[in-house]
Amino acid sequence: DAGVIQSPRHEVTEMGQEVTLRCKPISGHDYLFWYRQTMMRGLELLIYFNNNVPIDDSGMPEDRFSAKMPNASFSTLKIQPSEPRDSAVYFCASSSIPYEQYFGPGTRLTVT
Amino acid sequence: AQSVTQLGSHVSVSEGALVLLRCNYSSSVPPYLFWYVQYPNQGLQLLLKYTSAATLVKGINGFEAEFKKSETSFHLTKPSAHMSDAAEYFCAVSDRESNYQLIWGAGTKLIIKP
Repeated sequence: DAGVIQSPRHEVTEMGQEVTLRCKPISGHDYLFWYRQTMMRGLELLIYFNNNVPIDDSGMPEDRFSAKMPNASFSTLKIQPSEPRDSAVYFCASSSIPYEQYFGPGTRLTVT
Repeated sequence: AQSVTQLGSHVSVSEGALVLLRCNYSSSVPPYLFWYVQYPNQGLQLLLKYTSAATLVKGINGFEAEFKKSETSFHLTKPSAHMSDAAEYFCAVSDRESNYQLIWGAGTKLIIKP
């Protein structure tokens, strides 16, 4: 298996632009998680899905953030409009058991 | 509510020395406990897990951890550090109250001195 695939690996954008991060989970995994990692705040769970349904989005910072999972093999995290404080590494993880998570390589987002 | 405390944001050891990374947790129900490792510029990967079987758990790369209920601890050890062990290590707890989602510690960066 190729593991969790994230794209792009790096994204540099200007403040106010829309950013879309993409994730392909491991086939057969029915949990999908989006995390954000920064030096200041560490690792934060933003949202997770079970069987394509959002279960807990309490970690989503504000309405500028949205996540979708239209099918079992694809999810997006969108930020619109982006702000410099959104600069972070965004990880997607998937699992068949909630606590045994397999992480993707991350997307490093820089908002200038 | 569950929580995880990792003592020391940075731990420095010499190559060949004992590695000890500390983790304490709080949970009102029997927990599952985990250590994940993050190498530079990579995602996290599962190092080892305790899910109510043997209290001494062995993981990859020679690491092990012992669940001590009386001390609410799950410290990570390795007898002899290698340069390749330099990474950030995250302790996490999961239980019925969290719907078995992971509650993460803040992480400990392990530095290996040559």
